Amino acid sequence: GENVEQHPSTLSVQEGDSAVIKCTYSDSASNYFPWYKQELGKGPQLIIDIRSNVGEKKDQRIAVTLNKTAKHFSLHITETQPEDSAVYFCAPRMDSSYKLIFGSGTRLLVRP
Amino acid sequence: GAVVSQHPSWVICKSGTSVKIECRSLDFQATTMFWYRQFPKQSLMLMATSNEGSKATYEQGVEKDKFLINHASLTLSTLTVTSAHPEDSSFYICSARGGLAGAGSGTDTQYFGPGTRLTVL
Repeated sequence: GENVEQHPSTLSVQEGDSAVIKCTYSDSASNYFPWYKQELGKGPQLIIDIRSNVGEKKDQRIAVTLNKTAKHFSLHITETQPEDSAVYFCAPRMDSSYKLIFGSGTRLLVRP
Repeated sequence: GAVVSQHPSWVICKSGTSVKIECRSLDFQATTMFWYRQFPKQSLMLMATSNEGSKATYEQGVEKDKFLINHASLTLSTLTVTSAHPEDSSFYICSARGGLAGAGSGTDTQYFGPGTRLTVL
């Protein structure tokens, strides 16, 4: 089965700085790579995703990059704001099963 | 964007009783719904996958007789925790796939509900 590793487990940055979270997966058949943001006591919210035929995708301050050869993808948040503080999960998936396999999560703290 | 609701948002029950949690896709038809469980400060663990009109597929280690899933329509799935015990206390989250293309890359995107916190005394 798919093995997913996410690093770092915690990340503290100053407001305005950038944050990068990396996710490594094992199954080469994975072809859909979403990132979810979860605030305390709430369900995960999709913030950005990418498919395997694209190397990078950007949406305002958020970007995702994919390296299929190395089997990892990363979340980039620029100009961080205190409201970006949350837990972020990667969840690579194979189209054939539609199952998401969640990483262990990264707790991001943006200091004002 | 696609909206998924859950009801109730929290529930407290006595040990041995059964609890039903509803998951609804409000503005799209969900081809597939998923149920997850999340313990404090941990990741989401997939419990089962359900497709409308068919039996749910459970992940290894999840007791299907304890966690009953019914997916009666394209907009509603229910999870019933039978004979609940304190170790079943957790945050239960559903997600739905299918319908309109929202923030994701297409209709395969999973949209999550707000979760239901179950506490068994």
